[in-house]
Amino acid sequence: DTGVSQDPRHKITKRGQNVTFRCDPISEHNRLYWYRQTLGQGPEFLTYFQNEAQLEKSRLLSDRFSAERPKGSFSTLEIQRTEQGDSAMYLCASSLGPGLAGGGVHEQYFGPGTRLTVT
Amino acid sequence: AQSVTQLGSHVSVSEGALVLLRCNYSSSVPPYLFWYVQYPNQGLQLLLKYTSAATLVKGINGFEAEFKKSETSFHLTKPSAHMRDAAEYFCAVSFSGTSYGKLTFGQGTILTVHP
Repeated sequence: DTGVSQDPRHKITKRGQNVTFRCDPISEHNRLYWYRQTLGQGPEFLTYFQNEAQLEKSRLLSDRFSAERPKGSFSTLEIQRTEQGDSAMYLCASSLGPGLAGGGVHEQYFGPGTRLTVT
Repeated sequence: AQSVTQLGSHVSVSEGALVLLRCNYSSSVPPYLFWYVQYPNQGLQLLLKYTSAATLVKGINGFEAEFKKSETSFHLTKPSAHMRDAAEYFCAVSFSGTSYGKLTFGQGTILTVHP
């Protein structure tokens, strides 16, 4: 399978604990995005990387959230001191970057998501 | 700022009937528009995208969408619904540029197909 993968698929944690999620993008994609989706809502942008550089962060991404993509391949999203409001599906997506393969905006391919439940 | 509005959080059709899911966008620059489908407990799958090459875009599973600039719309249609089309559908908008490419999604429309 050469699609986007995410691990774990489900995570249940107690309030105040730290959690870390991993995303492995499609290998030739240099852009990687994180989104958060709560029940009944569309996904909301959190942050994205071009290669290893984090280029933009949403104001939704509080100081308790941090994301890395150390070698421009896989990415991790860490949430410190989790709160019940952090319960959501965390989606990762990857794409080619603008300017490559003809330019413009390229479609994003999504992983299956990590469902976080904070009790 | 860009935004997307999907009219109707729930749409119900009979098998074989026309499917019409509505999407309107707000943008000050030419948009890139997408429709994604999400099945329960899964990620999003791309149905189709508009990138200014043609206003009528054909996607997978028999879906198509028409970009109408004058109406700022990008409605999704399928001539004949199938039971397997039951899912949640999201319209999304994006823009080109160095810090763009991120998607802004609508609230989603749940499609129910009755036998």
